[in-house]
Amino acid sequence: AQSVTQPDIHITVSEGASLELRCNYSYGATPYLFWYVQSPGQGLQLLLKYFSGDTLVQGIKGFEAEFKRSQSSFNLRKPSVHWSDAAEYFCAVSISGGYQKVTFGTGTKLQVIP
Amino acid sequence: GAVVSQHPSWVICKSGTSVKIECRSLDFQATTMFWYRQFPKQSLMLMATSNEGSKATYEQGVEKDKFLINHASLTLSTLTVTSAHPEDSSFYICSASMGGAGQPQHFGDGTRLSIL
Repeated sequence: AQSVTQPDIHITVSEGASLELRCNYSYGATPYLFWYVQSPGQGLQLLLKYFSGDTLVQGIKGFEAEFKRSQSSFNLRKPSVHWSDAAEYFCAVSISGGYQKVTFGTGTKLQVIP
Repeated sequence: GAVVSQHPSWVICKSGTSVKIECRSLDFQATTMFWYRQFPKQSLMLMATSNEGSKATYEQGVEKDKFLINHASLTLSTLTVTSAHPEDSSFYICSASMGGAGQPQHFGDGTRLSIL
C-alpha cells in the first residue's frame, strides 16, 4: 500500500521568507501526488497536483512543487510567505487513479511570524 | 464553482443519541462522495466512498452499522453516527466529486462532533 511521510510536524517562518515543506511517498511506480491546505476548522483546498509531465508544477496562491522520482519526494515551495499562508498543509498520494482513493500524510502546521 | 456545504458545522449531543451530518454539492452533481474522519493533530482517514444510488464502500475497520451513509441523490449524502459515544467525537469531513479518476474532490468545511 502507498504511504506518505511529512517529516516536519510544525514549521515556523518569518513573513516574506521562503518556504519548503517536505513530502516523501512510498510506492513502486509513480503515483498521483497532491498538496492540500486546511485552515483551522475548515475543509481542504487543493493547492496543486502532479499526474504526469513536467515535474515542476505550479499551483494556486503562488505555491509550486517539484516531483523528484529519484528521491520519492514532492516538496512544496513558496518564495515569499504571507501571514495568510498560516495553515496546515497535507501531502497526499493516489495510486488507484487520479483523485480517487487518496491517502493523506500527517500534515505540517505552518506558523508565520511578523 | 464546485461548492460543497456541510451541515451542521458543530454539534454536541448526549451519549447514546444518533447524529446526522449532511453534505451537499451546491453547484454540481456529485456522483461520488467521500467521508473522512480527522482526529486532533492527525491526518484525514477515509471512512467510506459512496456513489449515488449505490451502497457505500467502507474502509477496513469502519463499522457499517455505526456509520450509516446514504447517497440518494446527486447533490446530497448523509452520514449518521448511530448510538454515538464519546469515542466517536471527532472532526468529520465530506468531499464530493463528479466521479471518475480525473475529477477532483471538493471538500466541505467539516463537522465537529462532540459526544458528552
